[in-house]
Amino acid sequence: QKEVEQNSGPLSVPEGAIASLNCTYSDRGSQSFFWYRQYSGKSPELIMFIYSNGDKEDGRFTAQLNKASQYVSLLIRDSQPSDSATYLCAVLRGYQKVTFGIGTKLQVIP
Amino acid sequence: DAGVTQSPTHLIKTRGQQVTLRCSPKSGHDTVSWYQQALGQGPQFIFQYYEEEERQRGNFPDRFSGHQFPNYSSELNVNALLLGDSALYLCASSERGGSNQPQHFGDGTRLSIL
Repeated sequence: QKEVEQNSGPLSVPEGAIASLNCTYSDRGSQSFFWYRQYSGKSPELIMFIYSNGDKEDGRFTAQLNKASQYVSLLIRDSQPSDSATYLCAVLRGYQKVTFGIGTKLQVIP
Repeated sequence: DAGVTQSPTHLIKTRGQQVTLRCSPKSGHDTVSWYQQALGQGPQFIFQYYEEEERQRGNFPDRFSGHQFPNYSSELNVNALLLGDSALYLCASSERGGSNQPQHFGDGTRLSIL
């Protein structure tokens, strides 16, 4: 079992729709959860982080965490073509190493 | 406020050579982590430096080594380069020792081995 699992996609959504990206993790002691956006050929850019169960909203982005189910998700409302990128889920436990998923490729169709 | 800076941006080497990559962390950050990212994969953790010592290490051979300087900047050294070392090498920094802190990435160094 991979430590952090994501569907590699591509996930295709029409412009203006809600994109839902999902991630599961295996370490129950994980404490911090991050979403990064990575455009092709570029480095990852931090867009959201969440520590507690529930939802955290920032603009068009909402991160959701369910520690009991070991599940974290990212919702992107009113998706734009500029949101087309690979979204990486990352998990951290204290001082331990950050573990990344393979990333989900999102395509927003105009 | 400068973010994480890495140099060089691109590098071409041949098998058997050695390479040094450099990273300056974001202002106020004291912890530096290095990652290798192959095409179509997520970043793979190489090691992390804090207080000038290697604190964590991923599943990479001893050919990969590093250093952190008193000003928190860091170097990644790779000896006896192999074709499989071709990848994007990413440096990320975080604050307060990195515990449960988000990491911020530099633009990376694209290393090609011929």
